[in-house]
Amino acid sequence: GQQLNQSPQSMFIQEGEDVSMNCTSSSIFNTWLWYKQDPGEGPVLLIALYKAGELTSNGRLTAQFGITRKDSFLNISASIPSDVGIYFCAGQPDYDNTDKLIFGTGTRLQVFP
Amino acid sequence: DTGVSQNPRHKITKRGQNVTFRCDPISEHNRLYWYRQTLGQGPEFLTYFQNEAQLEKSRLLSDRFSAERPKGSFSTLEIQRTEQGDSAMYLCASSLAARSSYNEQFFGPGTRLTVL
Repeated sequence: GQQLNQSPQSMFIQEGEDVSMNCTSSSIFNTWLWYKQDPGEGPVLLIALYKAGELTSNGRLTAQFGITRKDSFLNISASIPSDVGIYFCAGQPDYDNTDKLIFGTGTRLQVFP
Repeated sequence: DTGVSQNPRHKITKRGQNVTFRCDPISEHNRLYWYRQTLGQGPEFLTYFQNEAQLEKSRLLSDRFSAERPKGSFSTLEIQRTEQGDSAMYLCASSLAARSSYNEQFFGPGTRLTVL
């Protein structure tokens, strides 16, 4: 099935550093969501975006809905060890009238103390 | 805990057996979704319900798969004659179809299926 392109695929950073990751599509999306998944668990919703250009924060996390509606970005500031996990973008494409989500391939984040 | 719950959390079965998973959504949510996630991939959509009506099924959902949501509350996903390729994490999510939070889907912990 279709999956969104996420980059980077994995990141190894030191505690306290800032993190940036992005998600791109060849199609226009109406909604962008960012999830975090720990091993053996379901994805946990972090941020939801509904308008092109929208910038939304949730604590140390900030996400943006790209102005072209074909991409989204997630930034994590001052990373801590509990930020470790896999981050997925997900969205609802404009060509689809249902609200099923298309997911990205994931960015695996490792934080070293 | 008022989140999405799924049972069982783990299921090991032999090829050819039937399995059934249950999902209990967040109580006021009217939409319920099933996704499948294989190792190293993001979740892939299988099917979804609004109340008791099944509105869409992915082509990933072969005729061995069936999902129900008989009273618009909990849902079951059954796989008949399991194959090794069915081994995956099966995720359930729910959402409230309302104007301000149109597509915020909240996931359960998943059921990990292993077919031997």
